[in-house]
Amino acid sequence: AQKVTQAQTEISVVEKEDVTLDCVYETRDTTYYLFWYKQPPSGELVFLIRRNSFDEQNEISGRYSWNFQKSTSSFNFTITASQVVDSAVYFCALLAYNFNKFYFGSGTKLNVKP
Amino acid sequence: NAGVMQNPRHLVRRRGQEARLRCSPMKGHSHVYWYRQLPEEGLKFMVYLQKENIIDESGMPKERFSAEFPKEGPSILRIQQVVRGDSAAYFCASSPTTVGALTEAFFGQGTRLTVV
Repeated sequence: AQKVTQAQTEISVVEKEDVTLDCVYETRDTTYYLFWYKQPPSGELVFLIRRNSFDEQNEISGRYSWNFQKSTSSFNFTITASQVVDSAVYFCALLAYNFNKFYFGSGTKLNVKP
Repeated sequence: NAGVMQNPRHLVRRRGQEARLRCSPMKGHSHVYWYRQLPEEGLKFMVYLQKENIIDESGMPKERFSAEFPKEGPSILRIQQVVRGDSAAYFCASSPTTVGALTEAFFGQGTRLTVV
């Protein structure tokens, strides 16, 4: 079975703080892909990153960084020096098995206060 | 190259009416996926279609819901006799082939259905 768990329902931080969003996944497949999407208040889904199961290198993109650890089945997302514009719901997703469907976590709502 | 286009963006229907949601995939994309997002929840897979074929409808409710992706024109998600519980955001995604190492799915902006 495929499953993604985002245990943090909502997080509030003050601008410029660092924040980490947790994502734990379950799959029996050896080949799979992990994603993070941002959903701002306007509602669209904004693609942030994709990682495949064979690449455990951490990735940094500006203020964003991702930590992929197969040993703990986690794919955590850190925002450094958060900004108000980072306020959104963030979804972690898994693509596995026949690669026909994404399994999304329930999302973490991030509130960044000025 | 325009992105995945969904229309309408917002749709209000009275209980018992029909809702038709449209999705025009990106140019060159022949694979379409529909997802539903209930309030305060993540997206849940509904159906995967290729041109003129339903490949996987394991997430579709057994009754009142149907989807098609004709040879010409957009993909349509149809909900008959809507009920309040159908109120949700419906997202469409498209890809040129099966999503995988070299291919990813692109999501539309969603259609927000409200049943009153």
